[in-house]
Amino acid sequence: KQEVTQIPAALSVPEGENLVLNCSFTDSAIYNLQWFRQDPGKGLTSLLLIQSSQREQTSGRLNASLDKSSGRSTLYIAASQPGDSATYLCAVKNYGQNFVFGPGTRLSVLP
Amino acid sequence: DAGVIQSPRHEVTEMGQEVTLRCKPISGHNSLFWYRQTMMRGLELLIYFNNNVPIDDSGMPEDRFSAKMPNASFSTLKIQPSEPRDSAVYFCASSYQGGNVEAFFGQGTRLTVV
Repeated sequence: KQEVTQIPAALSVPEGENLVLNCSFTDSAIYNLQWFRQDPGKGLTSLLLIQSSQREQTSGRLNASLDKSSGRSTLYIAASQPGDSATYLCAVKNYGQNFVFGPGTRLSVLP
Repeated sequence: DAGVIQSPRHEVTEMGQEVTLRCKPISGHNSLFWYRQTMMRGLELLIYFNNNVPIDDSGMPEDRFSAKMPNASFSTLKIQPSEPRDSAVYFCASSYQGGNVEAFFGQGTRLTVV
């Protein structure tokens, strides 16, 4: 059974810092991995999708990497802004199965 | 496309009442997921459909919960009778199996059972 963990659970940084969020999964036979953002009281917004054959994906200030063999993914946020404050979740999909979510990292970027 | 559409956005009901949550997936998507989110347990899969057929309902808590997908553009999640411990945010998501399988979520239904 796939299990997904995220470290840290919460993070508070001053504006402008670069930061890394971590996601680990137990079953490396994944189809893809997706990073989401969730604002308080809102739904989940897809940020980046990495297929199992890919090593990384980039969108603006966000860069996500995937190391299947070690069961890890990182989300790198460059030059953080107060508007980046949210909860970030990673979700892993195995072949023929559903998306399994981590517990999330709650990020606060202080002005 | 307007994205995944859920209704209602908020629902407050009394214990014992029947509750029906609705979801319209993105047009063309052939997989639909129902998740429940609570502070204690995070996001949990309740059930998912592929081509309108339930594939995995192992997350459905008990017989009080049922889900249907009568066609490719509509799904319901029903709780009967509802209990206070069912209070949570219920999310619907859809994706296209056969493509990159990216999941898109609705805005959720916040259910409060008093």
